[in-house]
Amino acid sequence: AQSVAQPEDQVNVAEGNPLTVKCTYSVSGNPYLFWYVQYPNRGLQFLLKYITGDNLVKGSYGFEAEFNKSQTSFHLKKPSALVSDSALYFCAGKYSSASKIIFGSGTRLSIRP
Amino acid sequence: NAGVTQTPKFQVLKTGQSMTLQCAQDMNHNSMYWYRQDPGMGLRLIYYSASEGTTDKGEVPNGYNVSRLNKREFSLRLESAAPSQTSVYFCASSLAGHQETQYFGPGTRLLVL
Repeated sequence: AQSVAQPEDQVNVAEGNPLTVKCTYSVSGNPYLFWYVQYPNRGLQFLLKYITGDNLVKGSYGFEAEFNKSQTSFHLKKPSALVSDSALYFCAGKYSSASKIIFGSGTRLSIRP
Repeated sequence: NAGVTQTPKFQVLKTGQSMTLQCAQDMNHNSMYWYRQDPGMGLRLIYYSASEGTTDKGEVPNGYNVSRLNKREFSLRLESAAPSQTSVYFCASSLAGHQETQYFGPGTRLLVL
């Protein structure tokens, strides 16, 4: 079955350090992959997406993600974390022209000052 | 632009009561979606509407009905609420289909007693 997995429920990082939020996917075709962020009591906001082409995708707020087909991963990264990056992050994927989007279970990112 | 709006923000129901969650978007998007968010389970698609006049089931449609009233509005109805439907409900829209970026409303928090 096609799926999106976020293996970490929580990631803790010190401010100024690099951060990575992991996402892996299982597909039967070429995926569309997304990252969304959710701040407390708010709806999800789009960060970035991969469709095709360059494996390194740059998005909002200094975030980027690398599509790795051999490892079936799409990890979210930022070189220097801010306290304001603390939020819930969702990876999502769509795998064919007929499939619906699937969301991962979410990873809570906590940045300590 | 208000983006995606949802009403109400919060609702308490008794088991067996009915209610309709309202959603509207002002971005001239063709596709609209209803999700529920439960702890540890990410977002699960309830129903979606690819375009005005069409609706289709998502991952968890049981106990819900939807109406795409016009291009702007997409409502979700609970005919006989159950405690298992306690959740946060999000409406979203996209230009055309699941491969496009989705824009989310602020959510409706529903408690069924």
